[in-house]
Amino acid sequence: QSVLTQPPSVSAAPGQKVTISCSGSSSNIGNNYVSWYQQLPGTAPKLLIYENNKRPSGIPDRFSGSKSGTSATLGITGLQTGDEADYYCGTWDSSLSAVGFGGGTKLTVL
Amino acid sequence: QVQLVQSGSELKKPGASVKVSCKASGYTFTSYAMNWVRQAPGQGLEWMGWINTNTGNPTYAQGFTGRFVFSLDTSVSTAYLQISSLKAEDTAVYYCARDPGGGTAMAPDYWGQGTLVTVSS
Repeated sequence: QSVLTQPPSVSAAPGQKVTISCSGSSSNIGNNYVSWYQQLPGTAPKLLIYENNKRPSGIPDRFSGSKSGTSATLGITGLQTGDEADYYCGTWDSSLSAVGFGGGTKLTVL
Repeated sequence: QVQLVQSGSELKKPGASVKVSCKASGYTFTSYAMNWVRQAPGQGLEWMGWINTNTGNPTYAQGFTGRFVFSLDTSVSTAYLQISSLKAEDTAVYYCARDPGGGTAMAPDYWGQGTLVTVSS
């Protein structure tokens, strides 16, 4: 049972925009920073977004993050077939004193 | 640039032990804690705990106490995960992942490439 809740899958056409939600509680998302990761098939997770909405160097601005209350959202614009991957949200949970991840969302670019 | 390079895949029999290494480069090893994350086949990410690379003090998540041990060799900037009394359900990819630091608890930033541990008779 994941600490954070994500939809199992989302899909959209090339060039379109998609959003992936991540729902938590006051002990995690509500009071801590959210990170987002992209996991391409057969590879390690890669940091896309940190501190809710910041992009590491090298991550294109097609990827964006936002947070409101106890939920966070990852947005991807100008979808490409190379964006097909699993996406995970992660944060610290102050009640559990643990890092929590969402269950992951599989993005299909139709 | 920051790099975490893990040891290669392992095939072990039930009851055996395994030690996975994670060699860090591109930053001061003792300035950032190290997390360990498990990903079972076809499943999501599961946080196993972390180790303070300055003091060597480990913290284990629920479900990862007893058979799991985090350790360090700071002289070679390497973190280790040892799993004893291996069971079939330990079959997974194990990742080391650096804590971002900065004094605020957060999810990891840089990740190793992962080490597949397969437990089978």
